[in-house]
Amino acid sequence: SAVISQKPSRDICQRGTSLTIQCQVDSQVTMMFWYRQQPGQSLTLIATANQGSEATYESGFVIDKFPISRPNLTFSTLTVSNMSPEDSSIYLCSVAARLLPNTEAFFGQGTRLTVV
Amino acid sequence: AQTVTQSQPEMSVQEAETVTLSCTYDTSESDYYLFWYKQPPSRQMILVIRQEAYKQQNATENRFSVNFQKAAKSFSLKISDSQLGDAAMYFCAYRSANGGGGADGLTFGKGTHLIIQP
Repeated sequence: SAVISQKPSRDICQRGTSLTIQCQVDSQVTMMFWYRQQPGQSLTLIATANQGSEATYESGFVIDKFPISRPNLTFSTLTVSNMSPEDSSIYLCSVAARLLPNTEAFFGQGTRLTVV
Repeated sequence: AQTVTQSQPEMSVQEAETVTLSCTYDTSESDYYLFWYKQPPSRQMILVIRQEAYKQQNATENRFSVNFQKAAKSFSLKISDSQLGDAAMYFCAYRSANGGGGADGLTFGKGTHLIIQP
Protein backbone atom coordinates (compact mmCIF):
# COMPACT_ATOMS: atom_id res chain seq x y z
CA SER A 1 0.00 0.00 0.00
CA ALA A 2 0.99 3.65 -0.23
CA VAL A 3 0.16 6.62 1.95
CA ILE A 4 -0.19 9.89 0.08
CA SER A 5 -0.02 13.31 1.65
CA GLN A 6 -1.40 16.20 -0.35
CA LYS A 7 -0.96 19.86 0.50
CA PRO A 8 -2.79 22.13 0.81
CA SER A 9 -6.02 20.35 1.64
CA ARG A 10 -7.98 23.41 0.54
CA ASP A 11 -7.40 26.95 -0.63
CA ILE A 12 -9.28 29.98 -1.84
CA CYS A 13 -7.43 31.91 -4.52
CA GLN A 14 -7.88 35.06 -6.50
CA ARG A 15 -8.38 34.77 -10.23
CA GLY A 16 -5.25 35.31 -12.25
CA THR A 17 -2.97 33.82 -9.59
CA SER A 18 -1.34 30.36 -9.49
CA LEU A 19 -1.41 27.59 -6.91
CA THR A 20 1.06 24.74 -6.53
CA ILE A 21 -0.22 21.51 -5.02
CA GLN A 22 2.24 19.07 -3.48
CA CYS A 23 1.98 15.29 -3.40
CA GLN A 24 4.26 13.26 -1.14
CA VAL A 25 4.24 9.45 -1.10
CA ASP A 26 5.67 7.31 1.68
CA SER A 27 7.32 4.89 -0.76
CA GLN A 28 8.97 5.01 -4.16
CA VAL A 29 6.45 4.66 -6.96
CA THR A 30 6.86 4.52 -10.70
CA MET A 31 3.74 6.31 -11.79
CA MET A 32 1.97 9.31 -10.39
CA PHE A 33 -1.23 10.78 -11.75
CA TRP A 34 -3.09 14.01 -11.30
CA TYR A 35 -6.89 14.07 -11.55
CA ARG A 36 -9.47 16.83 -11.46
CA GLN A 37 -12.90 16.39 -9.93
CA GLN A 38 -15.21 19.26 -10.77
CA PRO A 39 -18.12 19.92 -8.38
CA GLY A 40 -20.50 16.97 -8.39
CA GLN A 41 -18.60 15.30 -11.19
CA SER A 42 -16.35 12.32 -11.72
CA LEU A 43 -12.55 12.25 -11.79
CA THR A 44 -10.81 13.22 -14.99
CA LEU A 45 -7.17 12.41 -15.62
CA ILE A 46 -5.09 15.54 -16.18
CA ALA A 47 -1.67 13.98 -16.72
CA THR A 48 0.67 11.15 -15.92
CA ALA A 49 3.91 12.16 -14.24
CA ASN A 50 6.89 9.84 -14.46
CA GLN A 51 10.20 10.59 -12.84
CA GLY A 52 12.88 11.84 -15.19
CA SER A 53 10.60 12.61 -18.13
CA GLU A 54 8.02 15.13 -19.24
CA ALA A 55 4.50 14.62 -18.00
CA THR A 56 2.00 13.18 -20.46
CA TYR A 57 -1.14 15.29 -20.69
CA GLU A 58 -4.61 14.15 -21.59
CA SER A 59 -6.74 15.79 -24.23
CA GLY A 60 -7.97 19.17 -23.02
CA PHE A 61 -5.10 19.76 -20.60
CA VAL A 62 -1.91 21.62 -21.48
CA ILE A 63 1.42 22.10 -19.80
CA ASP A 64 1.18 25.90 -19.75
CA LYS A 65 -1.97 25.71 -17.66
CA PHE A 66 -1.03 22.71 -15.50
CA PRO A 67 2.76 22.44 -15.23
CA ILE A 68 3.89 19.35 -13.35
CA SER A 69 7.16 18.49 -11.69
CA ARG A 70 8.39 15.03 -10.69
CA PRO A 71 11.86 15.47 -9.20
CA ASN A 72 12.03 12.02 -7.59
CA LEU A 73 10.11 8.80 -7.02
CA THR A 74 8.23 10.05 -3.96
CA PHE A 75 7.20 13.60 -4.82
CA SER A 76 5.31 15.58 -7.44
CA THR A 77 3.72 19.00 -7.80
CA LEU A 78 0.86 20.27 -9.92
CA THR A 79 0.50 23.99 -10.56
CA VAL A 80 -2.79 25.50 -11.62
CA SER A 81 -1.78 28.64 -13.48
CA ASN A 82 -3.59 31.88 -14.20
CA MET A 83 -6.66 30.60 -12.39
CA SER A 84 -10.25 31.40 -13.26
CA PRO A 85 -13.46 30.39 -11.44
CA GLU A 86 -13.78 27.46 -13.89
CA ASP A 87 -10.70 25.93 -12.24
CA SER A 88 -12.59 25.52 -8.97
CA SER A 89 -12.37 21.77 -8.39
CA ILE A 90 -10.86 19.08 -6.26
CA TYR A 91 -7.43 18.04 -7.49
CA LEU A 92 -6.26 14.55 -6.54
CA CYS A 93 -2.87 12.91 -6.69
CA SER A 94 -2.74 9.16 -7.31
CA VAL A 95 -0.04 6.51 -7.55
CA ALA A 96 0.07 3.07 -9.10
CA ALA A 97 2.53 0.36 -10.06
CA ARG A 98 3.01 0.04 -13.79
CA LEU A 99 4.12 -3.56 -13.67
CA LEU A 100 1.04 -4.54 -11.73
CA PRO A 101 -1.87 -2.95 -13.58
CA ASN A 102 -4.43 -4.90 -11.64
CA THR A 103 -3.31 -3.42 -8.39
CA GLU A 104 -5.27 -0.62 -6.92
CA ALA A 105 -4.38 2.98 -7.43
CA PHE A 106 -3.95 4.92 -4.19
CA PHE A 107 -5.24 8.44 -3.83
CA GLY A 108 -4.46 11.45 -1.74
CA GLN A 109 -7.34 13.19 0.00
CA GLY A 110 -7.38 15.89 -2.59
CA THR A 111 -7.04 19.66 -2.64
CA ARG A 112 -10.27 21.60 -2.75
CA LEU A 113 -9.59 24.74 -4.78
CA THR A 114 -11.99 27.66 -4.93
CA VAL A 115 -11.19 30.54 -7.29
CA VAL A 116 -12.92 33.84 -6.62
CA ALA B 1 -10.71 5.97 -26.12
CA GLN B 2 -12.52 4.09 -23.43
CA THR B 3 -15.69 5.34 -21.81
CA VAL B 4 -17.40 4.28 -18.62
CA THR B 5 -21.11 4.88 -18.05
CA GLN B 6 -22.99 4.81 -14.78
CA SER B 7 -26.66 5.39 -15.53
CA GLN B 8 -27.85 5.78 -11.93
CA PRO B 9 -26.96 9.19 -10.47
CA GLU B 10 -28.49 8.18 -7.14
CA MET B 11 -29.69 4.99 -5.46
CA SER B 12 -31.39 4.49 -2.13
CA VAL B 13 -31.62 1.27 -0.13
CA GLN B 14 -32.87 0.24 3.29
CA GLU B 15 -30.26 -0.80 5.81
CA ALA B 16 -29.61 -4.59 5.66
CA GLU B 17 -31.08 -4.82 2.15
CA THR B 18 -29.24 -5.53 -1.09
CA VAL B 19 -28.53 -2.97 -3.79
CA THR B 20 -26.98 -3.24 -7.25
CA LEU B 21 -25.12 -0.40 -8.93
CA SER B 22 -24.83 -0.50 -12.72
CA CYS B 23 -21.78 0.18 -14.89
CA THR B 24 -21.18 -0.31 -18.58
CA TYR B 25 -18.06 0.50 -20.53
CA ASP B 26 -16.90 0.76 -24.08
CA THR B 27 -13.51 -0.46 -25.25
CA SER B 28 -11.87 -2.13 -28.21
CA GLU B 29 -9.30 -3.82 -25.99
CA SER B 30 -9.51 -7.42 -24.93
CA ASP B 31 -7.37 -7.14 -21.82
CA TYR B 32 -8.13 -4.61 -19.12
CA TYR B 33 -9.04 -4.14 -15.48
CA LEU B 34 -12.19 -2.87 -13.83
CA PHE B 35 -12.57 -1.35 -10.40
CA TRP B 36 -15.21 -0.01 -8.08
CA TYR B 37 -14.09 2.86 -5.86
CA LYS B 38 -15.99 4.40 -2.97
CA GLN B 39 -15.68 8.10 -2.11
CA PRO B 40 -17.22 9.11 1.24
CA PRO B 41 -17.60 12.79 2.19
CA SER B 42 -14.00 12.77 3.39
CA ARG B 43 -13.03 12.67 -0.33
CA GLN B 44 -10.75 9.69 0.23
CA MET B 45 -10.98 7.25 -2.68
CA ILE B 46 -11.22 3.69 -1.37
CA LEU B 47 -10.96 0.58 -3.53
CA VAL B 48 -14.01 -1.64 -3.06
CA ILE B 49 -13.34 -4.44 -5.53
CA ARG B 50 -11.40 -5.20 -8.71
CA GLN B 51 -11.89 -7.54 -11.68
CA GLU B 52 -9.40 -8.72 -14.29
CA ALA B 53 -11.05 -9.02 -17.70
CA TYR B 54 -9.32 -12.32 -18.43
CA LYS B 55 -10.95 -13.93 -15.42
CA GLN B 56 -14.40 -15.39 -15.93
CA GLN B 57 -15.08 -15.76 -12.25
CA ASN B 58 -16.79 -12.79 -10.67
CA ALA B 59 -14.82 -11.06 -7.92
CA THR B 60 -16.16 -11.00 -4.37
CA GLU B 61 -15.01 -9.13 -1.27
CA ASN B 62 -17.11 -9.93 1.79
CA ARG B 63 -20.47 -8.15 1.26
CA PHE B 64 -19.41 -6.80 -2.13
CA SER B 65 -19.58 -8.75 -5.37
CA VAL B 66 -19.63 -7.98 -9.05
CA ASN B 67 -21.49 -9.33 -12.04
CA PHE B 68 -18.97 -9.09 -14.87
CA GLN B 69 -20.40 -9.70 -18.33
CA LYS B 70 -17.50 -9.21 -20.75
CA ALA B 71 -19.49 -9.67 -23.94
CA ALA B 72 -22.07 -7.14 -22.79
CA LYS B 73 -19.34 -4.86 -21.37
CA SER B 74 -21.20 -4.69 -18.10
CA PHE B 75 -19.72 -4.55 -14.60
CA SER B 76 -22.31 -4.14 -11.86
CA LEU B 77 -21.64 -3.98 -8.12
CA LYS B 78 -23.86 -5.76 -5.63
CA ILE B 79 -23.78 -4.71 -2.00
CA SER B 80 -25.42 -7.18 0.36
CA ASP B 81 -26.61 -6.44 3.90
CA SER B 82 -26.19 -2.70 3.33
CA GLN B 83 -24.77 -0.74 6.25
CA LEU B 84 -24.91 2.93 7.11
CA GLY B 85 -21.17 3.16 6.49
CA ASP B 86 -21.72 2.15 2.87
CA ALA B 87 -23.25 5.55 2.11
CA ALA B 88 -20.94 7.28 -0.36
CA MET B 89 -20.33 8.03 -4.03
CA TYR B 90 -19.39 4.91 -5.95
CA PHE B 91 -17.29 5.16 -9.07
CA CYS B 92 -16.74 2.48 -11.66
CA ALA B 93 -13.32 2.69 -13.30
CA TYR B 94 -11.44 1.15 -16.22
CA ARG B 95 -7.72 0.64 -16.68
CA SER B 96 -6.03 -0.64 -19.80
CA ALA B 97 -3.67 -3.58 -19.57
CA ASN B 98 -1.59 -1.98 -22.31
CA GLY B 99 0.50 0.61 -20.55
CA GLY B 100 1.97 3.85 -21.75
CA GLY B 101 1.03 7.48 -21.18
CA GLY B 102 -2.54 8.07 -20.10
CA ALA B 103 -3.42 4.46 -20.67
CA ASP B 104 -1.94 3.75 -17.27
CA GLY B 105 -4.46 6.04 -15.63
CA LEU B 106 -8.04 5.26 -14.72
CA THR B 107 -11.13 6.22 -16.68
CA PHE B 108 -14.01 6.85 -14.31
CA GLY B 109 -17.77 6.84 -14.68
CA LYS B 110 -19.79 9.78 -13.38
CA GLY B 111 -20.58 8.02 -10.14
CA THR B 112 -23.64 6.84 -8.23
CA HIS B 113 -24.61 8.44 -4.95
CA LEU B 114 -25.70 5.65 -2.61
CA ILE B 115 -28.03 6.54 0.23
CA ILE B 116 -28.67 4.09 3.05
CA GLN B 117 -32.01 4.50 4.81
CA PRO B 118 -31.92 3.45 8.49
